[in-house]
Amino acid sequence: QQQVKQSPQSLIVQKGGISIINCAYENTAFDYFPWYQQFPGKGPALLIAIRPDVSEKKEGRFTISFNKSAKQFSLHIMDSQPGDSATYFCAASLIQGAQKLVFGQGTRLTINP
Amino acid sequence: KAGVTQTPRYLIKTRGQQVTLSCSPISGHRSVSWYQQTPGQGLQFLFEYFSETQRNKGNFPGRFSGRQFSNSRSEMNVSTLELGDSALYLCASSSGGRTGELFFGEGSRLTVL
Repeated sequence: QQQVKQSPQSLIVQKGGISIINCAYENTAFDYFPWYQQFPGKGPALLIAIRPDVSEKKEGRFTISFNKSAKQFSLHIMDSQPGDSATYFCAASLIQGAQKLVFGQGTRLTINP
Repeated sequence: KAGVTQTPRYLIKTRGQQVTLSCSPISGHRSVSWYQQTPGQGLQFLFEYFSETQRNKGNFPGRFSGRQFSNSRSEMNVSTLELGDSALYLCASSSGGRTGELFFGEGSRLTVL
């Protein structure tokens, strides 16, 4: 019940296209859902996060869509650029334990020029 | 503002030995979390320290331990190393509040032979 399932494992998108990564969770007590971006040799960095009281959050080219009833959330990257090529992790936590993140398995995104 | 600093960056140990990893958080941050990253298991939460007290703990055996000092610097120790302990160990700092944003270091890559 603590798992977060992420798909796809890898994704190749053409420059300018839309990249979509999906996650599903089981624990309905989760109330904080961040996405992290990791480049090779670096630690993950927070990209965008959402709380379950909203269905969508947009920051620049990055959008999180959240479906509470389906227990699913997704990351959309609009106008994908080669610099977006990285590994993306979804995660979930309880707000009172926001540092204890349960991560998805990660998606390796490649943007072809 | 300096980021999260982890030392050493790389180390090689043999089975049965112990290892100590160090983490200096962002100045002013009182929470330090530790994560293990492996290709098979992904990112897994080890433990979190806040103001020198362990506040959260993941599902790792007692061979994995940690501590935090009064200046918020943290160390984690793994005793009786096993081959399966080979991983990237990531430290993350945060203010410890409810925003949940973690700032990760670049990690300490441990290889157990």
